[in-house]
Amino acid sequence: ELKVEQNPLFLSMQEGKNYTIYCNYSTTSDRLYWYRQDPGKSLESLFVLLSNGAVKQEGRLMASLDTKARLSTLHITAAVHDLSATYFCAVGNFGNEKLTFGTGTRLTIIP
Amino acid sequence: KAGVTQTPRYLIKTRGQQVTLSCSPISGHRSVSWYQQTPGQGLQFLFEYFSETQRNKGNFPGRFSGRQFSNSRSEMNVSTLELGDSALYLCASSLEAAPGELFFGEGSRLTVL
Repeated sequence: ELKVEQNPLFLSMQEGKNYTIYCNYSTTSDRLYWYRQDPGKSLESLFVLLSNGAVKQEGRLMASLDTKARLSTLHITAAVHDLSATYFCAVGNFGNEKLTFGTGTRLTIIP
Repeated sequence: KAGVTQTPRYLIKTRGQQVTLSCSPISGHRSVSWYQQTPGQGLQFLFEYFSETQRNKGNFPGRFSGRQFSNSRSEMNVSTLELGDSALYLCASSLEAAPGELFFGEGSRLTVL
C-alpha cells in the first residue's frame, strides 16, 4: 500500500527566511503533485512533477523530485505572509486519477 | 473558463439520512474523482469516473456510491449517514490524458448531526 509522509506537520517561520518541506513516498510512482489549501478553501494546484530530477519554480516556491529516493521537496525562499497555508503533496500513477495525499504541512509565516 | 462546480456547498443532515452531492467538471474534462477530507483522516480517495465508468475505488464502505453522466457531470451518494461522514467532499476533474493537473472544486461541506 502506497504511503505518503510529509514533514514537518507544522512549520512556523519568520518572514524573509528559507525553509523546506519534505515529502516521502513508499512505492514507485509516476507523478507527484504539490497543492496549497487555505482555511476553508479548496486545493490549489502548485506543481506537477513527472520525472526524476524535475525541478519547477513559481515565485518563492520551488519543487523538486528524486524518484530514486522517493522524495520530493518544496522549498520556500524569503517567505512572505501570503504563503501561510497548508501544503499537501500527493502521489499517483498513470492510467487513473487516484492520488494518495500526504498529511499536509501547516505553514505559518510570522511577520 | 469555468472551474469545477460543486453543489451544494454546505449541508446539514441527521444520522440515517442520505445525501447526494453534485459535481460539474471543467468543460472538456472527462475524468471526475471524489475525495473526502476530515481532520482525522486527511484527504482520502473515494472513487474516479471516466466516460461514465468507475475506473477506481477507494476503501470506503458500500454506503458511498457515485455515478457519472454522459455530459461528464458526476454525483456521489452517501446512504445511512453516520456522524463520521461529516467532512469536506472534494471533486476534481482532469483531461482524458494523464498525467495532467487535477483541478479541484470548492467542495461540499457535510455536517451529520
